[in-house]
Amino acid sequence: QVLLQESGPGLVKPSDTLSLTCYVSGVSMTTHPWGWIRQPPGEGLEFIGYIHGNGRADYNPSLKSRATMSIDTSKSQFSLRLISVTAADTAVYYCARFRQGEYYNPFDNWGQGTLITVSS
Amino acid sequence: DIQMTQSPSTLSASVGDRVTITCRASQSVQTYLAWYQQKSGKAPRLLIYKASTLESGVPSRFSGSGFGTEFTLTISSLQPDDFATYYCQNYNSDSRTFGQGTKVDI
Repeated sequence: QVLLQESGPGLVKPSDTLSLTCYVSGVSMTTHPWGWIRQPPGEGLEFIGYIHGNGRADYNPSLKSRATMSIDTSKSQFSLRLISVTAADTAVYYCARFRQGEYYNPFDNWGQGTLITVSS
Repeated sequence: DIQMTQSPSTLSASVGDRVTITCRASQSVQTYLAWYQQKSGKAPRLLIYKASTLESGVPSRFSGSGFGTEFTLTISSLQPDDFATYYCQNYNSDSRTFGQGTKVDI
C-alpha cells in the first residue's frame, strides 16, 4: 500500500521560505514521478511541480521562479521549497504520486494534505 | 496555457439521478484528461484517466467520455456517497491544469 505523508511548519511569515517534506512508504520512489499540488481554502486545485527519482524536475510556469523540489530516494522522501511567500500561498499542500512512470499521467495516490498559513 | 472550464459549478441532485458534468479545454488535450472526486477535508481521489478509463476500485456507475476539447463525467445512478466536488485535470501541459470544480449536493 502506497502511503504519503506531508510535513510542514503550519505557519510561515510573509517573504519567508516555505519548506515541505513528503514521506513515502510502501513503494520504491525510483519508478514514478512525484508531485506537489495545493488548494487555497475554499478554492480549486493548483499543480505546483513534480520530481522524478532520477532528479528531473519541472514546475508550473506560474510558480517556476519561486519553487524548487528535491528528492532523496534512500530516505523515501521528497521536498518542496517555495521562496518569498505571500498570503496568496496560504493553502492545503498535497504531495502525490503519478499513476505511472511517464511524465504525462494523473495522480493516483495522495497524502492527506497539510495546511500552510502565511501570516505575520 | 491551457484553461479547463467545468459546468455547472454546482449541481443539485437526488439519490438515483443520472448526473453529467462537462469539462471544456481551451485547446485540444487529446485524451490526457482525468476526473477526481474530493470530499470535504479529504484529498482528491482519482476516478477516471485517459478520458474514459476507470481507475481500479472505482464503481462502474462512474463513466467518462470525450476527446480533444470537450469531456463529460457521468454518474449513472447517484448514491449517497457521491455527494462531493468533482475536478477535471489536463495532464499533458506544463501547468497540469485543473478545472474549477463542480459541487454535487442534495
